[in-house]
Amino acid sequence: SQTIHQWPATLVQPVGSPLSLECTVEGTSNPNLYWYRQAAGRGLQLLFYSVGIGQISSEVPQNLSASRPQDRQFILSSKKLLLSDSGFYLCAWSPIAGVGETQYFGPGTRLLVL
Amino acid sequence: AQSVSQHNHHVILSEAASLELGCNYSYGGTVNLFWYVQYPGQHLQLLLKYFSGDPLVKGIKGFEAEFIKSKFSFNLRKPSVQWSDTAEYFCAVVTSGTYKYIFGTGTRLKVLA
Repeated sequence: SQTIHQWPATLVQPVGSPLSLECTVEGTSNPNLYWYRQAAGRGLQLLFYSVGIGQISSEVPQNLSASRPQDRQFILSSKKLLLSDSGFYLCAWSPIAGVGETQYFGPGTRLLVL
Repeated sequence: AQSVSQHNHHVILSEAASLELGCNYSYGGTVNLFWYVQYPGQHLQLLLKYFSGDPLVKGIKGFEAEFIKSKFSFNLRKPSVQWSDTAEYFCAVVTSGTYKYIFGTGTRLKVLA
C-alpha cells in the first residue's frame, strides 16, 4: 500500500533562517505531488504541484520554493523565513492516471517562525 | 477567480442529530468535487468524491453528498451523527483537466455525547 511521510513533524525557526521540509511517497510510481499550507480559518492553500521530476508549478508567489529531485521526493524550501510563513504544511500525492484524482495527504509539518 | 465557500465554520450537534454542511463553488465548467475529513490527530483523508454520474454520492461512515449543478453546490449530509464524527470537514473542487485543487475554509464539527 502507499504511504506518505513528512518530516520534521514540528519545527521552530527564527526569522531569516533557511527552511527545508521533506516529503516522500512509498508504494507508487510517478505520483503527482503537492504542497499545501493550512492556516487556521483559511483552509488549505495550494503552494506548488509537480507532475514529474524537475517539473514544478507555483500557485502562489512568495519566498518559498519547491524541488523534486527524485520521483517520490518533494522538498519545500526557503532561503529566508518570514513571520508570515508560520503555519501547517501538508504534502499530498495523487495518481498520475488522470488529472483531478483523489489526493492522499501526509501528516503535516507545523512550522513556527519567531 | 475560482473559489469554494463553506458557510458553516463551527457546528455543534448532539449525537443522533442530522447533519448538513454547505459547500458552494464558483466555476461554470466541469469540476470534480470532494469532501475530506480530518479527525483529531489524524491525516486529512477522503470522505467521498463526485466525478460524474449519479449526483448523490455515498462515502464512508454513512456520509453522503449531493451535487446540484444548477446551484453550484455539493452539500454533505449524515442522518444521524455520532460522537466519533467530531472532526474538521473540508470541501474541495478541482477543475476538470487541471491540477489546481481549491479547498474551502473548513467546518469544525463537534458532536456532544
